[in-house]
Amino acid sequence: NAGVTQTPKFQVLKTGQSMTLQCAQDMNHEYMSWYRQDPGMGLRLIHYSVGAGITDQGEVPNGYNVSRSTTEDFPLRLLSAAPSQTSVYFCASSLGYGYTFGSGTRLTVV
Amino acid sequence: ILNVEQSPQSLHVQEGDSTNFTCSFPSSNFYALHWYRWETAKSPEALFVMTLNGDEKKKGRISATLNTKEGYSYLYIKGSQPEDSATYLCAGGGTASKLTFGTGTRLQVTL
Repeated sequence: NAGVTQTPKFQVLKTGQSMTLQCAQDMNHEYMSWYRQDPGMGLRLIHYSVGAGITDQGEVPNGYNVSRSTTEDFPLRLLSAAPSQTSVYFCASSLGYGYTFGSGTRLTVV
Repeated sequence: ILNVEQSPQSLHVQEGDSTNFTCSFPSSNFYALHWYRWETAKSPEALFVMTLNGDEKKKGRISATLNTKEGYSYLYIKGSQPEDSATYLCAGGGTASKLTFGTGTRLQVTL
């Protein structure tokens, strides 16, 4: 049972580039979320989904897009990377109780 | 969005000490309170999810209580061990799908 798989683990982008952070879960969880973790800020919710085809914005959605075409996958797209998006990104999934987190993606935008 | 606050920010105890942390949240529009343990270089791991006022949960030496009327939860660790060293996060949500995390309590247990 793989749980929540995030790829890549590390990424360096140049300002203005776009990329997609992948997230997949094999637990048939309805709820999936993307968080970013910055020093002193804790985990902040970017976007979340309550099921295939349903997404909504979290606390810090600007500069990010998501889609949920299947139950398993919830990719996060950075449209035009900015240095302020340098962070560690976590994907998480749940059936409505405790969340299972992926191992994180460390993104640096230069 | 719930405003979830945790205290203390960090804590340094000796092996064998018992300790507790606090998580406070607005008591209105409450659905659930989560506790997570986050070890360095790993991902957060769920400890407890509580929804009802007066809920108490226990896992080994770790336990948690919930007071939704006054908006707080306590996490207790009995007889701390070095392997308990981690950041403990609490998260509140008005729904099951949208959590707001506190900034965590960093616990360091030394011999």
